[in-house]
Amino acid sequence: DAGVTQSPTHLIKTRGQQVTLRCSPKSGHDTVSWYQQALGQGPQFIFQYYEEEERQRGNFPDRFSGHQFPNYSSELNVNALLLGDSALYLCASTAPGSGRAETQYFGPGTRLLVL
Amino acid sequence: AQSVTQLDSQVPVFEEAPVELRCNYSSSVSVYLFWYVQYPNQGLQLLLKYLSGSTLVKGINGFEAEFNKSQTSFHLRKPSVHISDTAEYFCAVSEPGGYNKLIFGAGTRLAVHP
Repeated sequence: DAGVTQSPTHLIKTRGQQVTLRCSPKSGHDTVSWYQQALGQGPQFIFQYYEEEERQRGNFPDRFSGHQFPNYSSELNVNALLLGDSALYLCASTAPGSGRAETQYFGPGTRLLVL
Repeated sequence: AQSVTQLDSQVPVFEEAPVELRCNYSSSVSVYLFWYVQYPNQGLQLLLKYLSGSTLVKGINGFEAEFNKSQTSFHLRKPSVHISDTAEYFCAVSEPGGYNKLIFGAGTRLAVHP
């Protein structure tokens, strides 16, 4: 059973460009969350997708957008890249459940460097 | 608003010694509490979580944590560490009913020396 997968593993972009990161959730999972982890810091919640809709959003500008497909996979898009967007981007998936404390399973991340 | 403070950015320890990684949280409502581990160049793996009930929670790899509501703490402990425990450890909270959004601390780097 494959876990959460993310692509690409590494990416180098220049300021002002746009980037798309991809995530495939663990089999059977229907909810995908995205986090940004800057160097030396803990992950910060960007947003969460459920039933192809953004269900909750953290304190990130509109330059950060996403999408969830019918197969539950997800994309994170960042427009007009800034140097400060350089970080490890983590995707996490969650299984359907009656409670709200379902374990989030994290992928290995995509490391983005903006020059 | 919720926040998490991990009191030590780095904890060096010798192999087979006990270790405690400290975590304090701030919240105006009840919370769920988590500890995750991140090995180099990998994603996060759940060590353990506290939802309710017994305040002593046992997790994987011999780790355990104790929830202390009066001190708003959730410290992680292991009685005897191994070299393979060297990693970054993150404490996190989420709000019941909050769609499982995790608020993380800044992390504690555990370095186990032979």
